[in-house]
Amino acid sequence: RKEVEQDPGPFNVPEGATVAFNCTYSNSASQSFFWYRQDCRKEPKLLMSVYSSGNEDGRFTAQLNRASQYISLLIRDSKLSDSATYLCAVNGGAGGFKTIFGAGTRLFVKA
Amino acid sequence: EPEVTQTPSHQVTQMGQEVILRCVPISNHLYFYWYRQILGQKVEFLVSFYNNEISEKSEIFDDQFSVERPDGSNFTLKIRSTKLEDSAMYFCARPGGLEAFFGQGTRLTVV
Repeated sequence: RKEVEQDPGPFNVPEGATVAFNCTYSNSASQSFFWYRQDCRKEPKLLMSVYSSGNEDGRFTAQLNRASQYISLLIRDSKLSDSATYLCAVNGGAGGFKTIFGAGTRLFVKA
Repeated sequence: EPEVTQTPSHQVTQMGQEVILRCVPISNHLYFYWYRQILGQKVEFLVSFYNNEISEKSEIFDDQFSVERPDGSNFTLKIRSTKLEDSAMYFCARPGGLEAFFGQGTRLTVV
Protein backbone atom coordinates (compact mmCIF):
# COMPACT_ATOMS: atom_id res chain seq x y z
CA ARG A 1 0.00 0.00 0.00
CA LYS A 2 1.31 3.46 -0.87
CA GLU A 3 2.19 5.66 2.11
CA VAL A 4 -0.02 8.48 0.87
CA GLU A 5 -2.59 7.85 -1.81
CA GLN A 6 -4.62 10.34 -3.82
CA ASP A 7 -6.90 10.25 -6.82
CA PRO A 8 -4.70 11.72 -9.58
CA GLY A 9 -7.64 13.31 -11.38
CA PRO A 10 -7.73 15.48 -13.32
CA PHE A 11 -10.75 17.24 -11.97
CA ASN A 12 -12.23 19.61 -14.55
CA VAL A 13 -14.71 22.00 -12.96
CA PRO A 14 -16.36 25.28 -13.95
CA GLU A 15 -15.68 28.49 -12.08
CA GLY A 16 -17.78 28.72 -8.97
CA ALA A 17 -18.00 24.97 -8.46
CA THR A 18 -17.26 23.14 -5.24
CA VAL A 19 -14.68 20.39 -5.52
CA ALA A 20 -13.45 17.85 -2.98
CA PHE A 21 -10.20 15.92 -2.87
CA ASN A 22 -9.53 12.85 -0.79
CA CYS A 23 -6.38 11.27 0.50
CA THR A 24 -5.55 8.20 2.56
CA TYR A 25 -2.38 7.43 4.46
CA SER A 26 -1.00 4.10 5.61
CA ASN A 27 1.09 4.96 8.67
CA SER A 28 -1.23 5.18 11.65
CA ALA A 29 1.58 6.78 13.66
CA SER A 30 1.64 9.87 11.43
CA GLN A 31 1.38 13.02 13.49
CA SER A 32 0.81 15.94 11.17
CA PHE A 33 -1.13 16.41 8.00
CA PHE A 34 -1.03 19.02 5.27
CA TRP A 35 -2.28 20.10 1.91
CA TYR A 36 0.22 21.70 -0.44
CA ARG A 37 -0.39 23.36 -3.76
CA GLN A 38 2.03 22.90 -6.64
CA ASP A 39 1.90 24.87 -9.85
CA CYS A 40 3.48 23.45 -12.97
CA ARG A 41 7.27 23.12 -12.59
CA LYS A 42 7.23 25.07 -9.32
CA GLU A 43 7.93 24.14 -5.75
CA PRO A 44 5.18 22.83 -3.44
CA LYS A 45 3.70 25.58 -1.29
CA LEU A 46 1.87 24.96 1.93
CA LEU A 47 -1.85 25.54 1.51
CA MET A 48 -2.98 24.53 4.97
CA SER A 49 -2.35 22.22 7.85
CA VAL A 50 -5.07 19.73 8.72
CA TYR A 51 -6.32 19.32 12.27
CA SER A 52 -8.52 16.64 13.80
CA SER A 53 -11.24 19.16 14.51
CA GLY A 54 -11.26 20.31 10.92
CA ASN A 55 -10.16 23.73 9.84
CA GLU A 56 -11.16 26.36 7.36
CA ASP A 57 -9.25 29.08 5.57
CA GLY A 58 -11.49 31.19 3.39
CA ARG A 59 -12.80 28.98 0.60
CA PHE A 60 -10.74 26.01 1.71
CA THR A 61 -11.80 23.45 4.31
CA ALA A 62 -9.67 20.53 5.45
CA GLN A 63 -10.78 17.53 7.45
CA LEU A 64 -8.90 14.68 9.11
CA ASN A 65 -10.33 11.33 10.13
CA ARG A 66 -7.65 9.50 12.10
CA ALA A 67 -9.73 6.37 12.56
CA SER A 68 -10.09 5.94 8.81
CA GLN A 69 -6.66 7.47 8.04
CA TYR A 70 -8.35 9.82 5.65
CA ILE A 71 -7.78 13.49 4.82
CA SER A 72 -9.96 15.72 2.67
CA LEU A 73 -9.82 19.16 1.10
CA LEU A 74 -12.89 21.06 -0.01
CA ILE A 75 -12.63 24.08 -2.28
CA ARG A 76 -15.72 26.25 -2.57
CA ASP A 77 -16.45 28.82 -5.27
CA SER A 78 -13.54 27.67 -7.44
CA LYS A 79 -11.49 30.33 -9.18
CA LEU A 80 -9.46 30.04 -12.36
CA SER A 81 -6.40 30.67 -10.19
CA ASP A 82 -7.13 27.52 -8.18
CA SER A 83 -5.96 25.44 -11.14
CA ALA A 84 -2.96 23.51 -9.85
CA THR A 85 -1.93 20.16 -8.42
CA TYR A 86 -2.92 19.60 -4.80
CA LEU A 87 -0.58 17.44 -2.76
CA CYS A 88 -1.62 15.62 0.36
CA ALA A 89 1.23 15.21 2.83
CA VAL A 90 1.86 13.54 6.16
CA ASN A 91 4.67 13.95 8.60
CA GLY A 92 6.04 12.29 11.65
CA GLY A 93 5.59 9.00 13.32
CA ALA A 94 8.44 7.62 15.40
CA GLY A 95 9.82 11.12 15.78
CA GLY A 96 10.59 11.61 12.13
CA PHE A 97 10.20 15.05 10.61
CA LYS A 98 10.29 14.09 6.97
CA THR A 99 7.19 14.89 4.98
CA ILE A 100 5.76 12.18 2.75
CA PHE A 101 3.74 13.36 -0.23
CA GLY A 102 1.01 11.85 -2.28
CA ALA A 103 1.30 11.98 -6.04
CA GLY A 104 -1.14 14.88 -6.20
CA THR A 105 -4.54 15.61 -7.66
CA ARG A 106 -4.71 17.91 -10.67
CA LEU A 107 -7.43 20.51 -10.77
CA PHE A 108 -8.45 22.51 -13.82
CA VAL A 109 -10.95 25.30 -13.27
CA LYS A 110 -12.50 26.58 -16.48
CA ALA A 111 -14.37 29.76 -17.26
CA GLU B 1 10.97 36.91 -0.71
CA PRO B 2 11.95 33.24 -0.80
CA GLU B 3 12.99 31.76 2.49
CA VAL B 4 15.27 29.29 0.78
CA THR B 5 17.32 30.06 -2.33
CA GLN B 6 18.62 27.33 -4.60
CA THR B 7 21.29 27.55 -7.26
CA PRO B 8 21.50 26.94 -10.10
CA SER B 9 17.89 27.09 -11.25
CA HIS B 10 18.70 24.78 -14.14
CA GLN B 11 21.71 22.59 -14.77
CA VAL B 12 22.45 20.41 -17.75
CA THR B 13 25.16 17.82 -17.32
CA GLN B 14 26.54 14.88 -19.21
CA MET B 15 25.98 11.39 -17.93
CA GLY B 16 28.77 10.35 -15.62
CA GLN B 17 29.61 13.86 -14.49
CA GLU B 18 29.36 15.12 -10.91
CA VAL B 19 26.96 17.90 -10.01
CA ILE B 20 26.62 20.02 -6.89
CA LEU B 21 23.31 21.64 -6.08
CA ARG B 22 23.25 24.48 -3.56
CA CYS B 23 20.74 25.74 -1.07
CA VAL B 24 20.97 28.87 1.08
CA PRO B 25 18.52 29.62 3.86
CA ILE B 26 17.55 33.23 4.49
CA SER B 27 17.71 32.73 8.23
CA ASN B 28 19.92 30.32 10.06
CA HIS B 29 18.54 26.80 10.27
CA LEU B 30 20.17 23.66 11.51
CA TYR B 31 17.66 21.26 9.97
CA PHE B 32 17.33 20.77 6.21
CA TYR B 33 15.79 18.38 3.76
CA TRP B 34 16.41 17.47 0.15
CA TYR B 35 13.60 16.17 -2.04
CA ARG B 36 13.43 15.04 -5.64
CA GLN B 37 10.61 15.17 -8.16
CA ILE B 38 10.96 13.33 -11.44
CA LEU B 39 8.78 14.95 -14.11
CA GLY B 40 5.20 13.80 -13.73
CA GLN B 41 5.87 11.95 -10.51
CA LYS B 42 5.51 12.68 -6.83
CA VAL B 43 7.81 14.65 -4.57
CA GLU B 44 10.14 12.11 -2.93
CA PHE B 45 12.13 12.50 0.26
CA LEU B 46 15.88 12.03 -0.16
CA VAL B 47 17.60 13.04 3.06
CA SER B 48 17.33 15.15 6.17
CA PHE B 49 20.36 16.91 7.57
CA TYR B 50 20.63 18.19 11.12
CA ASN B 51 23.50 19.96 12.74
CA ASN B 52 26.00 18.81 10.10
CA GLU B 53 24.91 15.19 10.10
CA ILE B 54 22.48 13.07 8.13
CA SER B 55 19.54 12.32 10.41
CA GLU B 56 17.48 10.25 8.00
CA LYS B 57 17.74 9.10 4.41
CA SER B 58 15.57 7.22 1.96
CA GLU B 59 16.48 4.20 -0.12
CA ILE B 60 16.89 6.56 -3.07
CA PHE B 61 19.79 8.26 -1.29
CA ASP B 62 22.49 5.74 -2.14
CA ASP B 63 26.26 6.07 -2.32
CA GLN B 64 25.91 8.24 -5.39
CA PHE B 65 24.57 11.06 -3.22
CA SER B 66 26.12 13.10 -0.45
CA VAL B 67 25.15 16.20 1.51
CA GLU B 68 27.32 18.76 3.20
CA ARG B 69 27.27 22.11 4.87
CA PRO B 70 30.65 23.29 3.63
CA ASP B 71 30.78 26.80 5.05
CA GLY B 72 28.25 26.88 7.86
CA SER B 73 25.48 28.45 5.80
CA ASN B 74 25.10 26.77 2.39
CA PHE B 75 23.77 23.25 2.13
CA THR B 76 24.88 21.18 -0.84
CA LEU B 77 23.67 18.00 -2.50
CA LYS B 78 26.31 16.26 -4.56
CA ILE B 79 25.49 13.62 -7.13
CA ARG B 80 28.49 11.64 -8.30
CA SER B 81 28.51 10.04 -11.74
CA THR B 82 25.06 11.19 -12.78
CA LYS B 83 22.71 8.87 -14.63
CA LEU B 84 19.95 9.71 -17.07
CA GLU B 85 17.38 8.78 -14.45
CA ASP B 86 18.75 11.45 -12.11
CA SER B 87 17.04 14.04 -14.31
CA ALA B 88 14.51 15.69 -12.00
CA MET B 89 13.68 18.77 -9.96
CA TYR B 90 15.65 18.84 -6.73
CA PHE B 91 14.17 20.83 -3.88
CA CYS B 92 15.71 21.74 -0.60
CA ALA B 93 13.36 22.56 2.24
CA ARG B 94 13.51 23.81 5.76
CA PRO B 95 11.09 22.97 8.54
CA GLY B 96 8.79 25.60 9.98
CA GLY B 97 7.16 23.89 12.88
CA LEU B 98 6.14 20.57 11.36
CA GLU B 99 5.48 21.73 7.82
CA ALA B 100 8.19 22.20 5.19
CA PHE B 101 9.03 25.33 3.21
CA PHE B 102 10.61 24.65 -0.14
CA GLY B 103 13.12 26.44 -2.27
CA GLN B 104 12.24 27.09 -5.89
CA GLY B 105 14.20 24.02 -6.97
CA THR B 106 17.00 23.12 -9.34
CA ARG B 107 16.05 21.42 -12.58
CA LEU B 108 18.73 18.86 -13.37
CA THR B 109 18.89 17.49 -16.87
CA VAL B 110 21.30 14.64 -17.53
CA VAL B 111 22.07 14.07 -21.20
